[in-house]
Amino acid sequence: ETGVTQSPTHLIKTRGQQVTLRCSSQSGHNTVSWYQQALGQGPQFIFQYYREEENGRGNFPPRFSGLQFPNYSSELNVNALELDDSALYLCASTSGGGTSPGELFFGEGSRLTVL
Amino acid sequence: EDQVTQSPEALRLQEGESSSLNCSYTVSGLRGLFWYRQDPGKGPEFLFTLYSAGEEKEKERLKATLTKKESFLHITAPKPEDSATYLCAVQAGGATNKLIFGTGTLLAVQP
Repeated sequence: ETGVTQSPTHLIKTRGQQVTLRCSSQSGHNTVSWYQQALGQGPQFIFQYYREEENGRGNFPPRFSGLQFPNYSSELNVNALELDDSALYLCASTSGGGTSPGELFFGEGSRLTVL
Repeated sequence: EDQVTQSPEALRLQEGESSSLNCSYTVSGLRGLFWYRQDPGKGPEFLFTLYSAGEEKEKERLKATLTKKESFLHITAPKPEDSATYLCAVQAGGATNKLIFGTGTLLAVQP
């Protein structure tokens, strides 16, 4: 069984640039969510995708956007990067679309540094 | 507002010295409470899900319990490899599997 995989593992950008992070969900999982984890903090929910549509969003501005593809993989895009966007970005997968409770399985994350 | 508070922020134990980590929560319509372990620079690793007050789950040296207001993660005779940050999260009512996390407890077990 393949777990959640994310790429790239590390990247450095400058303020104002744009970034795309990628995630492949665990085998059999059709729901993907993204979290932002600042240093010393718990992960914060960005949004969730199910059946290629966003079906839930946390308190993040529109410059954070995403996609889900037919194979359930997903992308997180962040435009107009700010220094505070520096964080570990985590992708998590599960099944069911959110209609029932269930554990989320996380990838290793993408460490973004904005200079 | 849904909220999760973990204590202590950091805990240092000697190998074999048992202790407990606390997670108190305020949530509208608890669907589940989750414990994760996170090693430095890595993603959270799932440990337990608890769904209702009175429920208990065990795995090796770890035992998680749940009441209507808090959860405890008991660590019995810890080993140095148990050193990590332990995160508690709740899943509230709604249309998503959104987790609300606490800030974690950093556990260090010294040999």
